Amino acid sequence: EADIYQTPRYLVIGTGKKITLECSQTMGHDKMYWYQQDPGMELHLIHYSYGVNSTEKGDLSSESTVSRIRTEHFPLTLESARPSHTSQYLCASSGISEQFFGPGTRLTVL
Amino acid sequence: AQSVTQPDIHITVSEGASLELRCNYSYGATPYLFWYVQSPGQGLQLLLKYFSGDTLVQGIKGFEAEFKRSQSSFNLRKPSVHWSDAAEYFCAVGSAGTSYGKLTFGQGTILTVHP
Repeated sequence: EADIYQTPRYLVIGTGKKITLECSQTMGHDKMYWYQQDPGMELHLIHYSYGVNSTEKGDLSSESTVSRIRTEHFPLTLESARPSHTSQYLCASSGISEQFFGPGTRLTVL
Repeated sequence: AQSVTQPDIHITVSEGASLELRCNYSYGATPYLFWYVQSPGQGLQLLLKYFSGDTLVQGIKGFEAEFKRSQSSFNLRKPSVHWSDAAEYFCAVGSAGTSYGKLTFGQGTILTVHP
């Protein structure tokens, strides 16, 4: 079944640690996106990719980085986590119309 | 720049009552419009979308939305709300061209359903 996966679902980590949030999709979509969402708030686009080796920064500035080495995989990395990075991170992919979302990763940095 | 406004942050309705969630957008050309629903701790699920054609679109779970160009609105409706509809609802606008696929989301409307 075609789907989009995110791991881990929940992550609690200390300040200064390096973390990678994983996102994979099995739909063969070229376009992938990362959003940041604080509780009860709107989604803010932080990164997007239109294909392999293509990455762009989104509308909201973020200290995270992304890579797109394979079509199906779009990981997000924080080199040194801080409490201000505490948020929910949603990954999405799209073909020619709507975006499909993963279940999200809720990150807490202590 | 495109933008989306959802004027109601929180709406409470009784089960069985009708529902209308408002969405206004700002966009220079013909927009692509979407409604998504998000349950607590989950990702977003697409309810319906409008690209062109019939301005009244039907979605999943008994939802519908009407595109009104003159009012720059895309309001979501349901004739009879079920307790399982309690969630947060997001309206989004997208664009064609080089930025095709990027969406701008409204701030969301939280729906509470009373038994």
